[in-house]
Amino acid sequence: SYVLTQPPSVSVAPGQTARITCGGNNIGSKSVHWYQQKPGQAPVLVVYDDSDRPSGIPERFSGSNSGNTATLTISRVEAGDEADYYCQVWDSSSDPHVVFGGGTKLTVL
Amino acid sequence: EVQLVESGGGLVQPGGSLRLSCAASGFTVSSNYMSWVRQAPGKGLEWVSVIYSGGSTYYADSVKGRFTISRDNSKNTLYLQMNSLRAEDTAVYYCARLKLLGGQFDYWGQGTLVTVSS
Repeated sequence: SYVLTQPPSVSVAPGQTARITCGGNNIGSKSVHWYQQKPGQAPVLVVYDDSDRPSGIPERFSGSNSGNTATLTISRVEAGDEADYYCQVWDSSSDPHVVFGGGTKLTVL
Repeated sequence: EVQLVESGGGLVQPGGSLRLSCAASGFTVSSNYMSWVRQAPGKGLEWVSVIYSGGSTYYADSVKGRFTISRDNSKNTLYLQMNSLRAEDTAVYYCARLKLLGGQFDYWGQGTLVTVSS
């Protein structure tokens, strides 16, 4: 089965740029989606189809996807961005499956 | 406004059964792909099941043969029937809408906690 690999944690100072990676075999050929989850809350979609943002998500959130790595980039990080972030793909083959990465804890120093 | 509200969680003994419900408003469940995603305490997200608008259903290997996803179109509600529950099924269960074209979950419920313990 398809596996998505994320670093367990990323730390960044306020105002700096955070980059969270999501590795997978030829992930560049798939659509990658990213979710933010704060403690006790449901996940929220922050980037879909590699680099699109849902309405209401700040432009500070962006994404890219190429080769074996997709990346979520958060510019000008704020304290409120501290959360867990998950990447996700959907394998819509004959036996459809949704795959999530293991999640990355973003800490704002 | 789109809203998803789960219910039915609780404490159940190993080997027992439970049925979760997810009441939707602001859109029609039967016209969309709907899914269940769970999260064990302190762990990451795990996909459980999906039901297509046409009625086809698919499951994660970890629940295949034990869980059944279904919907009631008249109530605009999604269900998850969980049988032969195990300790490792303990989790917060979320219902979510899966977008057809890209495969992303654009709306999520608030979740309902299922605890499997004796």
